Amino acid sequence: AQKITQTQPGMFVQEKEAVTLDCTYDTSDPSYGLFWYKQPSSGEMIFLIYQGSYDQQNATEGRYSLNFQKARKSANLVISASQLGDSAMYFCAMREVAAGNKLTFGGGTRVLVKP
Amino acid sequence: DTGVSQDPRHKITKRGQNVTFRCDPISEHNRLYWYRQTLGQGPEFLTYFQNEAQLEKSRLLSDRFSAERPKGSFSTLEIQRTEQGDSAMYLCASSFMDFTDTQYFGPGTRLTVL
Repeated sequence: AQKITQTQPGMFVQEKEAVTLDCTYDTSDPSYGLFWYKQPSSGEMIFLIYQGSYDQQNATEGRYSLNFQKARKSANLVISASQLGDSAMYFCAMREVAAGNKLTFGGGTRVLVKP
Repeated sequence: DTGVSQDPRHKITKRGQNVTFRCDPISEHNRLYWYRQTLGQGPEFLTYFQNEAQLEKSRLLSDRFSAERPKGSFSTLEIQRTEQGDSAMYLCASSFMDFTDTQYFGPGTRLTVL
């Protein structure tokens, strides 16, 4: 079974609108962390936001927020007020404490922001 | 605060040749990771170091691959007898062993094996 599933291969969003990127995960480890990264065409993975499995509140970082629904095992990324520079691949990743420190990534979602 | 750096950024080699990549982590980070990313996929874990100790290796890391971090600072990843299937982006990341252990990535080395 896939550990991290991103079901949206690509999506368009109008500039200044909000967009939600889906991520579901599968783990039996009670202690884990969820991460979102942005990868522009240049190739570098840029860390956006982190959510711990024991965190009571949804994480927020500027225009990024994470809609964490633990019972559903989902960790959707919300980007508010989209900008042209948000056009990129977005990856959801999980670190399971019991499995060491490696990140397991989903297949990514390509976002294209239209002017 | 300089980020993670990798060298070279691009490498083109012929099948059968050996290649070596270097990664310099963020200076205060004691953990260093290598990942491989093929076109259209998310990165896949290869190996990781805590200080100079290599603590985990993926089954993806065949005998042709070796990684070192001799003094707990920079790391090298060597691929011997390269094959066309080794063509990929090789990403290095580092982290500080705190609660979130967030990994910060370098720009990657894109390897093309002809």
